[in-house]
Amino acid sequence: QSALTQPRSVSGSPGQSVTISCTGTSSDVGGYNYVSWYQQHPGKAPKLMIYDVSKRPSGVPDRFSGSKSGNTASLTISGLQAEDEADYYCCSYAGSYVFGTGTKVTVL
Amino acid sequence: EVQLVESGGGLVQPGRSLRLSCTASGFTFGDYAMSWVRQAPGKGLEWVGFIRSKAYGGTTEYAASVKGRFTISRDDSKSIAYLQMNSLKTEDTAVYYCTSHGDYVFDYWGQGTLVTVSS
Repeated sequence: QSALTQPRSVSGSPGQSVTISCTGTSSDVGGYNYVSWYQQHPGKAPKLMIYDVSKRPSGVPDRFSGSKSGNTASLTISGLQAEDEADYYCCSYAGSYVFGTGTKVTVL
Repeated sequence: EVQLVESGGGLVQPGRSLRLSCTASGFTFGDYAMSWVRQAPGKGLEWVGFIRSKAYGGTTEYAASVKGRFTISRDDSKSIAYLQMNSLKTEDTAVYYCTSHGDYVFDYWGQGTLVTVSS
């Protein structure tokens, strides 16, 4: 199972919006509505931000939203804040589980 | 508050074995599947495997990269999940995270334990 493809990095100024793409195939992202997104700050454990493509766990700010079209899922962070600077990973069910390559979000 | 605490990591020689533990609290451990996810130094996340709850047979699934070498088990009476790693390879070097496993999602994560496979 190949890793899902994410951009290596994205950046934005405080208050702006950034979108991270996560591209797979019809066997993973395109085949199931089980895409989740995880935030990881340096030296810390990942944290669940989005599940089932677009659902937010309690406690996650509504600035974070998820969507999917075909074989590509997306995570959008609106109203970017300094504390959003982190690595982000998508993950899809595919019979097993496959993670994305990871995206570093930089707040300028 | 959900807490997952991994232990058992360390330095091990190639070909040897190591067992990791994940001690859970703050939720009804026996009702949940549990997963292990690893992260090689400077690299991305890789799912290792999971164990279903006893209600779903307590069966296991593994990534192809570890199948036949790694075994996940659980002791619901102690709220502990285990990862038995045999025939370790240098490419198994990683931080190993224990996670609770909801419906197709990794809900909560431990802080991780580092396993270094080197001679």
